[in-house]
Amino acid sequence: NAGVTQTPKFRVLKTGQSMTLLCAQDMNHEYMYWYRQDPGMGLRLIHYSVGEGTTAKGEVPDGYNVSRLKKQNFLLGLESAAPSQTSVYFCASSPRATGGADTQYFGPGTRLTVL
Amino acid sequence: SQKIEQNSEALNIQEGKTATLTCNYTNYSPAYLQWYRQDPGRGPVFLLLIRENEKEKRKERLKVTFDTTLKQSLFHITASQPADSATYLCALENQGGKLIFGQGTELSVKP
Repeated sequence: NAGVTQTPKFRVLKTGQSMTLLCAQDMNHEYMYWYRQDPGMGLRLIHYSVGEGTTAKGEVPDGYNVSRLKKQNFLLGLESAAPSQTSVYFCASSPRATGGADTQYFGPGTRLTVL
Repeated sequence: SQKIEQNSEALNIQEGKTATLTCNYTNYSPAYLQWYRQDPGRGPVFLLLIRENEKEKRKERLKVTFDTTLKQSLFHITASQPADSATYLCALENQGGKLIFGQGTELSVKP
């Protein structure tokens, strides 16, 4: 099993450009998440999904959109990139059952720089 | 809102000693608490989970305690090795059912 994979690993954008980050998991997990990690801020939840076809906002959703058309994939889109979106983005998945503990499996991250 | 505090200062210890990392939280009392390890340039990796009715949990050289009265968890690595050098993140579920993470504490084990 590859676990959680993310594409691309690195990307440099100019302000105003758009891009999509792809996350894929092969563990048949129901839940998927997108986080950003900034120095001194820890991991912050952007959006998440509790199943195919569902999405919901996390702590810092502004400027991002997501889609979960297939259970194994979770896409994060930036429609008009801003320098404040320079960060490392992590995708995670979990097999969480109702009332169960949410142990998450993380991808390797995407380092995004917006100039 | 739920807050997690981990010591932001790096912890430097000598190989063979026990490393102790602290995680304090405020407000809502979680049903369980987790610890993750993160190496530079990589995603966090789950290490241990401890539930509110468990005082202590062990896994090989790792030990986690959970004091719901003090609202604190301690993470211990005994007989530490240079390979244990990493950032360790504490995480707990908030009232909204979402996992929130501390900033992490960087551990450096010197040979």
